[in-house]
Amino acid sequence: GEDVEQSLFLSVREGDSSVINCTYTDSSSTYLYWYKQEPGAGLQLLTYIFSNMDMKQDQRLTVLLNKKDKHLSLRIADTQTGDSAIYFCAEYGNNRLAFGKGNQVVVIP
Amino acid sequence: DVKVTQSSRYLVKRTGEKVFLECVQDMDHENMFWYRQDPGLGLRLIYFSYDVKMKEKGDIPEGYSVSREKKERFSLILESASTNQTSMYLCASRPDSPGNTIYFGEGSWLTVV
Repeated sequence: GEDVEQSLFLSVREGDSSVINCTYTDSSSTYLYWYKQEPGAGLQLLTYIFSNMDMKQDQRLTVLLNKKDKHLSLRIADTQTGDSAIYFCAEYGNNRLAFGKGNQVVVIP
Repeated sequence: DVKVTQSSRYLVKRTGEKVFLECVQDMDHENMFWYRQDPGLGLRLIYFSYDVKMKEKGDIPEGYSVSREKKERFSLILESASTNQTSMYLCASRPDSPGNTIYFGEGSWLTVV
């Protein structure tokens, strides 16, 4: 089955950039996603990238995809206190969406 | 806006009870999913359905069953709840086309005592 790996914790100062990394194993994945989860809430889709793309930028968010290494990253520019949350990467393939364990981001004012 | 609604936000049930978690989506999506989320384990897929009356086991189906009698509704059933099923349950839906977006409900917190 699919296996998605993420590091668990990141601390960043307000105004700095933060980068969250993720590796996946299923080379047949069609879409890769980043979700944000704030305390007590469901999952909010932040952005996604189609598997034939290398990069996608959406305002403060930049997604980079390295298909050769099966590596996905999310860069948040000018990190704000409202960005404190758990971030999940996910891959979609074979009719199922597989998630990483999540990366908790804490923004220090 | 797509809406995925989970009927119960917080439930407390006793061991051995039968539990129903309901999920409804209003956008005519073909595919629906049930996940559970536990600290340090991320989201794990329990069951999914790609059409009415169709269901597929996910990664952790043991102790659960599902029902999809209507396209908009996907129910998760715990036949005999156990304490290790205390968790946050998340429902999601996705259209066949375009297939790039998956929508989640707000989650149902289940505590089994």
